[in-house]
Amino acid sequence: SYVLTQPPSVSVAPGETAKISCGTNNIGSKSVHWYHQRPGQAPVLVISYDHDRPSGIPERFSGSNSGNTATLTISRVEAGDEGDYYCQVWDASTDPLYVFGTGTKVTV
Amino acid sequence: QVQLQESGPGLVKPSETLSLTCTVSGGSISSFYWSWVRQPPGKGLEWIGYIYYGGNTDYNRSLKSRVTISVDTPKNQFSLRLSAVTAADTAVYYCARNLGAPGGIDVWGQGTTVTVSS
Repeated sequence: SYVLTQPPSVSVAPGETAKISCGTNNIGSKSVHWYHQRPGQAPVLVISYDHDRPSGIPERFSGSNSGNTATLTISRVEAGDEGDYYCQVWDASTDPLYVFGTGTKVTV
Repeated sequence: QVQLQESGPGLVKPSETLSLTCTVSGGSISSFYWSWVRQPPGKGLEWIGYIYYGGNTDYNRSLKSRVTISVDTPKNQFSLRLSAVTAADTAVYYCARNLGAPGGIDVWGQGTTVTVSS
């Protein structure tokens, strides 16, 4: 098992850009998915397979993954982007198969 | 549009078995992997395990000795059983659909709160 390390919190002004990192050794060799969770609600998939946006997710959300760090970028941040963000990987060589990041609270 | 709905007791006594069912509507349970994920109060997400509609399962090793996930294809449901629960199992439990084994989770239930207390 391994830990996906995220910054505990990120604060960003409306209209600016937020970047959330997710780090572990050689994460660039794995597929990373990102979720947004508002208080009291279920998570929502915002980026899959490093950089793919599911249907309905604004283009303001983008992802990248290389080396030891994956990054979720939220451009032109809006108040509705507040909440917790989690990265997640699937790794057949470890247990558990699915590992979630430690989570980042985004404050706008 | 596929929707998931968890059901089951909201209160379970210590040492007893937690049982939850997830009903899939708006689509077939056939194909896809179906997961259970939990979130203790104020904490992050923890994957419990998944089942493929054909019955293959995989569990988080930290819970493996206590977890069983099963599927009822005719009813379009899958279920979670977690035995010998303690207060540490108090959490919001989500059922969810995986985009294939390596994929993300694209559909989530609303979640159900389970409290372990006497």
